[in-house]
Amino acid sequence: VLLQESGPGLVKPSGTLSLTCAVSGASITSDNWWSWVRQPPGMGLEWIGEIYRSGVTNHNPSLKSRVTISIDKSNNQFSLRLSSVTAADTALYFCARVCFEGGHRPTSGYFYSYYMDVWGKGTTVTVSS
Amino acid sequence: QSMLTQPPSVSAAPGQKVTISCSGSSSNIGNNYVSWYQQFPGTAPKLLIYDNDNRPSGIPDRFSGSKSGTSATLGITGLQAGDEADYYCATWDNSLSAGVFGGGTKLTVL
Repeated sequence: VLLQESGPGLVKPSGTLSLTCAVSGASITSDNWWSWVRQPPGMGLEWIGEIYRSGVTNHNPSLKSRVTISIDKSNNQFSLRLSSVTAADTALYFCARVCFEGGHRPTSGYFYSYYMDVWGKGTTVTVSS
Repeated sequence: QSMLTQPPSVSAAPGQKVTISCSGSSSNIGNNYVSWYQQFPGTAPKLLIYDNDNRPSGIPDRFSGSKSGTSATLGITGLQAGDEADYYCATWDNSLSAGVFGGGTKLTVL
């Protein structure tokens, strides 16, 4: 299974960042979620959001109003759009396949197994005029 | 700030053992499984441990994971120079309905 990110490496401030993740060796309609993660220079990993084959999405609350994640079943790929970008959005952006399963315990409620088993190599996006 | 707290750095000599902690809360680690990732500079993270203590195929048994309450631990035995990297814990947060990462720990092999 391979994931490959693509998109412009330079975006102007207040513009929209658009990236695509092409999936090969697996179907994007399989029972997995597909996610975006980013890493600003010199900093740690930040979870952006994810999408399921049905189109259902989850987003980082701190980015939610600016993030759109979509799925393209015909081309076996999914995409990220991040609007109103600033220099703080400059980062290495990764796409990853997510294994996400849950259950319910009467005593403690819902529990989840959540991990990313396949990652793209990443693509650098710089926000600058 | 990350929802999961890791020490910024740890170090040990070759051949020794090191542990990296990951502290969370009842909404994340306390209720869900933890995964661990290894990342070398400028490259993608690699899954080391999933579901607290399971290794994907190809990961040496020098790497181990455990969880107790709202904390998790990554252990690495027989340290090698090639283990020098950044390590991240991650899980799902039920309150946020979002994935969360720890801030990362830089491992230095002395």
